[in-house]
Amino acid sequence: IAGITQAPTSQILAAGRRMTLRCTQDMRHNAMYWYRQDLGLGLRLIHYSNTAGTTGKGEVPDGYSVSRANTDDFPLTLASAVPSQTSVYFCASSVAGNNEQFFGPGTRLTVL
Amino acid sequence: GQNIDQPTEMTATEGAIVQINCTYQTSGFNGLFWYQQHAGEAPTFLSYNVLDGLEEKGRFSSFLSRSKGYSYLLLKELQMKDSASYLCAVRDSNYQLIWGAGTKLIIKP
Repeated sequence: IAGITQAPTSQILAAGRRMTLRCTQDMRHNAMYWYRQDLGLGLRLIHYSNTAGTTGKGEVPDGYSVSRANTDDFPLTLASAVPSQTSVYFCASSVAGNNEQFFGPGTRLTVL
Repeated sequence: GQNIDQPTEMTATEGAIVQINCTYQTSGFNGLFWYQQHAGEAPTFLSYNVLDGLEEKGRFSSFLSRSKGYSYLLLKELQMKDSASYLCAVRDSNYQLIWGAGTKLIIKP
């Protein structure tokens, strides 16, 4: 692994289904983030984690949950997907909360 | 509320210079970032300003005026590969990034 990876690359999901988006980084960064990006809007923060074992809510956390069991992994779960969660999801990481963020390649999610 | 404003789209000619403006109103200020995002790809870091003035990095420069809540990204000697969206983001008092919607830059030969 080089940098930050996300899986899957894209997914079509039926409404009401549960889905976990995976994010893994090998840079030993302390902070990790999940954003969604929708056309015409800026990136919006869903959840973040400043260090392993801690998480926090961002601007649009409803319908999403995260966990940070270790430094490298930061999965995002949609418990019961709805069409408004159709978006491109980016995971990012940074050395600490006050440094530049490095982004994964994104997951394009469509909820029907 | 918090707000970041950028032009939606700009067009420029290969070899020319273009300035992309960003104005912000946020709860606190702990730095301003510019990112580049090519279509279908992830954002990548371009520049960071926390003090007033100009930061130069090759063909790209970024300027900040904290008193005016204003920044610009200056791109010189434009190349076709500079066609992308440019995202302005401000770190607020909670050290969270507030993002603008981005400026799509179209470069014409």
